[in-house]
Amino acid sequence: QVQLQESGPGLVKPSETLSLTCTVSGGSFSGYFWSWIRQPPGKGLEYIGYIYYSGSTNYNPSLKSRVTISVDTSKNQFSLKLSSVTAADTAVYYCARDLSIAARPVGFDPWGQGTLVTVSS
Amino acid sequence: EIVMTQSPATLSVSPGERATLSCRASQSVSSNLVWYQQKPGQAPRLLIYGASTRATGIPARFSGSGSGTEFTLTISSLQSEDFAVYYCQQSNNWLPLTFGGGTKVEIK
Repeated sequence: QVQLQESGPGLVKPSETLSLTCTVSGGSFSGYFWSWIRQPPGKGLEYIGYIYYSGSTNYNPSLKSRVTISVDTSKNQFSLKLSSVTAADTAVYYCARDLSIAARPVGFDPWGQGTLVTVSS
Repeated sequence: EIVMTQSPATLSVSPGERATLSCRASQSVSSNLVWYQQKPGQAPRLLIYGASTRATGIPARFSGSGSGTEFTLTISSLQSEDFAVYYCQQSNNWLPLTFGGGTKVEIK
């Protein structure tokens, strides 16, 4: 059974770069689209972007100028970097796998447990 | 960007009753619609994809319907473990994938 686990600092200073890693275990890393999604406290879900196992990426236009998603297939990991953060970037950050079919999105399953990142000085 | 609108924001239902949740897309997403359940402190859980296909392990009391711009999630007989927030998401277009604002199903 595939499991995902986010890791990284829980506190980031304004204007700095948020960095998180998602480690995938218990299943195949190849052939899937791996995504980041975030949820501000008490609010809804926002798609950040995906990376295909081969390295191609897709980012939400609203965040594109600040987001980089990368992959390390040797470690079954993918990572998120979000630059120039502000308090508005405070959220629970989830990593997830999309059950894509023929490169089309289907739905996210499974999800990591999520990690709260607070932006504060 | 496709905007997803869910209604109502909160639904008060008694255990054993039927719950009907709505999701509307700002433009057609065909049958590319996903439903998730989220409980406090937990990650969302995939319930339905392709508008009407239950994910693995999801009980038959959950059903999805609709196409184009109007979708419905029905919980036929609410169990105690079903009280949660439900989100819809369009899976028609990666650029970007978008979620509804959620419907909270609470105990009446």
